[in-house]
Parts: sequence; C-alpha cells; structure tokens
Amino acid sequence: SQQGEEDPQALSIQEGENATMNCSYKTSINNLQWYRQNSGRGLVHLILIRSNEREKHSGRLRVTLDTSKKSSSLLITASRAADTASYFCATGRLNSGYALNFGKGTSLLVTP
Amino acid sequence: SAVISQKPSRDICQRGTSLTIQCQVDSQVTMMFWYRQQPGQSLTLIATANQGSEATYESGFVIDKFPISRPNLTFSTLTVSNMSPEDSSIYLCSVEGISGANVLTFGAGSRLTVL
Repeated sequence: SQQGEEDPQALSIQEGENATMNCSYKTSINNLQWYRQNSGRGLVHLILIRSNEREKHSGRLRVTLDTSKKSSSLLITASRAADTASYFCATGRLNSGYALNFGKGTSLLVTP
Repeated sequence: SAVISQKPSRDICQRGTSLTIQCQVDSQVTMMFWYRQQPGQSLTLIATANQGSEATYESGFVIDKFPISRPNLTFSTLTVSNMSPEDSSIYLCSVEGISGANVLTFGAGSRLTVL
C-alpha cells in the first residue's frame, strides 16, 4: 500500500522561482527519499534523508524531514524548464527488504 | 553507474494475450523489484524477485497473472498474462544498492497499451 502523500498534486511556476513540494507518511521510517520522473519514464533518485537528519542539501535541492509530524518537503531553488517532471517521495517498507512505497507524486511544470 | 535495460520500451497488445518484459542489469544484484504505474498514478510494487527463490508478490498481485523469472543475478522477466485494458500501464524494474544503500535504480520502463 502507498505510504506517502504529496501535495500539491500539481504545481506550475516560472523559471527562476522556487518550487516546494510536501510529503506526508504514516509509519516509522529509517529514511525518506525523493525521486524524479520525466514523461512516464523510469524514476531517478534525487536525495535520501535519514530519520536522524532534519535537513539535507544537494545542489539546488533542499530536503527537510520532520519525523514528529511524519512529513518532508523538497525545495527546488532557481527552477529551470528542465526541472519539469513528476516528483515522488518514497519510504521503506518494513519487513520487506529494500522495496519502497511511493507517494502519489507532484507534477511540476516550469515555464520559461 | 549501473545501467538497467528494459524491453520492450512500449507495446500495443490485444486483449487476452500475454507479454513478457525483460530487465537486464549490467552488474550482479541480489534483489530486483517490479513496479506498475497505471496512467496518472504512482508506483505500486508487484513483486520482489530474488535469484534462486520464488518471487514474493504483494497483496493484489498473483503469480498466475504476473509470473516472474529470475534465472541469474543480472536478469529477470515479468509476464503480464491474459491481458485486459486494465493492465495498460508502465511496468518498471528496479534494483537496490547500485546507487547507494536503500536507493533504487530504475529501468526506463515498458509502456503497455492493451486494446
């Protein structure tokens, strides 16, 4: 069953603006990850944040994690048209090896 | 980084037929995962395939409908049997550990349309 719920479902911004996506989850986690999917293709891993971390940066990406609220956010700064994609948060599945549960995703459109 | 090749990349199939999707990884991996992504939806795990053992299926997915083979550490197939239009989806294989612990690397996906 799906674990994460992202919001908003869709987001439209202009190049140069920042994009913020949120994810909520239901059960305890070891880590939370964000993936990007372009046009129905395979997903690409963006960033992983562990349960004992509160914030993590990677290039223009900033991820926060609040385990007390069971929520995470992904911030993309200075967005570009190439950032147009769907973004999914994912959490591990207890007692199921390394398979992940994926949220419903946020569809981001960045217009020039 | 490792490459995962999936084929076919897309296909249009007739109702009642079966199609086998192949997933080839260019390095040896223990676990492979097959996901389904229905139109406009998120990913749902179909099964976990370990080499040398039977695949483990998630609730709602059965071996008769989605038989999986895992003959070695670099290859797996997923068959979608007796297809109906509801099976129209993107099917994705993925592996863990190549890009980092707990991180999944995905193939490009196989987009199936069932008429």
